[in-house]
Amino acid sequence: DAGVTQSPTHLIKTRGQQVTLRCSPKSGHDTVSWYQQALGQGPQFIFQYYEEEERQRGNFPDRFSGHQFPNYSSELNVNALLLGDSALYLCASSSRGPNSPLHFGNGTRLTVT
Amino acid sequence: GESVGLHLPTLSVQEGDNSIINCAYSNSASDYFIWYKQESGKGPQFIIDIRSNMDKRQGQRVTVLLNKTVKHLSLQIAATQPGDSAVYFCAENLDSNYQLIWGAGTKLIIKP
Repeated sequence: DAGVTQSPTHLIKTRGQQVTLRCSPKSGHDTVSWYQQALGQGPQFIFQYYEEEERQRGNFPDRFSGHQFPNYSSELNVNALLLGDSALYLCASSSRGPNSPLHFGNGTRLTVT
Repeated sequence: GESVGLHLPTLSVQEGDNSIINCAYSNSASDYFIWYKQESGKGPQFIIDIRSNMDKRQGQRVTVLLNKTVKHLSLQIAATQPGDSAVYFCAENLDSNYQLIWGAGTKLIIKP
């Protein structure tokens, strides 16, 4: 049973560029959440998608956007990249309900130069 | 805003001993708490969760204790093994809130 898969594993971009990160949820899960994790810190919630709509959003600017597809997979897009966007981007999936444990992928390490 | 924090950034434990990792939370309305383990280069791995109507929950070699009076959460790992080396995070969630609020993490080091 495949867990949460993310691609790519590593990515290097230049300031001002745009990036798209991808996530396939664990089998049986219909909800996808995205988190940003800076080095040495806990993850910060970006947003959550359910039924192809953004259900809740954290304190991130509009440069961060997402999408969920009918097969429950998801993308995270970041426009106009800043140096401060360098981080590990984690995707987590869960079944419906706010207190369903999140299952995480191994993340995409984004470096902005 | 409200947040979850940890008392100790690093904890060193002798192999075979029990480990206790502590966490303080500030949002008294939080009603669901989770412990995650994150190994180097990997995403967080779910360990155990507890709801606010409980004060103790046990899993395999792990126990979570919740003290709502002092807003304190702890994770106990029995007979610590080298494979337990990781950063441990506690996280909290409000029933009506779909996001988890995470602490900064505690690094557990196992001494041979």
